[in-house]
Amino acid sequence: RKEVEQDPGPFNVPEGATVAFNCTYSNSASQSFFWYRQDCRKEPKLLMSVYSSGNEDGRFTAQLNRASQYISLLIRDSKLSDSATYLCVVNLSNQFYFGTGTSLTVIP
Amino acid sequence: DVKVTQSSRYLVKRTGEKVFLECVQDMDHENMFWYRQDPGLGLRLIYFSYDVKMKEKGDIPEGYSVSREKKERFSLILESASTNQTSMYLCASSLTGGSGEQFFGPGTRLTVL
Repeated sequence: RKEVEQDPGPFNVPEGATVAFNCTYSNSASQSFFWYRQDCRKEPKLLMSVYSSGNEDGRFTAQLNRASQYISLLIRDSKLSDSATYLCVVNLSNQFYFGTGTSLTVIP
Repeated sequence: DVKVTQSSRYLVKRTGEKVFLECVQDMDHENMFWYRQDPGLGLRLIYFSYDVKMKEKGDIPEGYSVSREKKERFSLILESASTNQTSMYLCASSLTGGSGEQFFGPGTRLTVL
């Protein structure tokens, strides 16, 4: 069983739409959680950390549900520049476990 | 800004060759990692290191070795390259006790013929 699972998509949404990604993790001892963004042929870069209380950064909202062991990312008012692959990442004992990524394409 | 650099963006090698991939970070991070990324499989950890001269196997260490003689440098070695090692190789570093964020290098696209 994979440590981190996420729907690979692809998600194709029109500009201005709201889109949500979910991710589940298998180890309840996981300590910290992140969403990374990876553009085509580029390295992953941190989008945001995910906190138990939920956190928001502009159009992006991340939520963590420890009881159900899932993490979510909500993108409001999608822009063309949001097109990328979004990686769910879990940290356990200084090791990082990556989901396979969810592909998002925002269409004009 | 943290910078992680990798020695090559693109590399083409022949089966059986010994391959060295170098990674350097400039922010005094204790932790360094080597991953490979393949379509449909995501990032898979090959090896990681918590400190100089320390190394730990990740999920797929077979066919690889690593070296960390200096804190800023973490090398990945393919002793005898094989075609199934054709992949994108990503190096990353992170700070112990920090935010937990990993910083990635630009990647090396390795093709083994």
